[in-house]
Amino acid sequence: EVQLVESGGELIQPGGSLRLSCVASGFSFSSFALSWVRQAPGRELEWVSTVGGNSDNTNYADSVRGRFTGSRDNSKNTLYLHMNSLRVEDTAIYYCAKDGNYYGSGGLDHWGQGTLVTVSS
Amino acid sequence: DIQMTQSPSSLSASVGDRITITCRASQGIGRYLAWFQQKPGKAPWSLIYDASSLQSGVPSRFSGSGSGTEFTLTISSLQPEDFATYYCQQYYSYPQTFGQGTKVEFK
Repeated sequence: EVQLVESGGELIQPGGSLRLSCVASGFSFSSFALSWVRQAPGRELEWVSTVGGNSDNTNYADSVRGRFTGSRDNSKNTLYLHMNSLRVEDTAIYYCAKDGNYYGSGGLDHWGQGTLVTVSS
Repeated sequence: DIQMTQSPSSLSASVGDRITITCRASQGIGRYLAWFQQKPGKAPWSLIYDASSLQSGVPSRFSGSGSGTEFTLTISSLQPEDFATYYCQQYYSYPQTFGQGTKVEFK
């Protein structure tokens, strides 16, 4: 059974930094791309980043490019999202999701339960 | 960026109804389209990928169709557990983009 478990979300002040983690199990971790998708309170889903199977192809939404970095440690079956220069508008539940293939072009097929990031002074 | 527009934004229906949700892309995306279901306070659940392929474990009352710029999600006989918000997403090119969602409510 595929499982994705996010952690690291918390209340943080604007301008601060945070690292989210997503620990995966139940599939061959390095064979699939993984994505971060967020959802602000009462809003629609927003794609944030996709990291290819060996971190060789990482893409970002314009709203986070230059501030967020997606990475993965295939030896630990863990996906990360390093978040810098956080803004109030980054407040959201952050979901980790598995793609259907290595490149990120297979469609998301499994989701974690999400971790809440609140940016506020 | 490719814009994804869903219609309607919300709909009211009864158990047993057949409903259809439309998703339009601002440019052609082939069949690189997925559908998701989300219930309040829960993570999304993947329903369909590649426009019409059902994810494992998804009931056969769900179906998807379309290609290019116009896509549909159909629920052939609405069940009580299907009342939720539905999202489409294109993964043809980056940035991947979602529709604004369609809320299916009980009539």
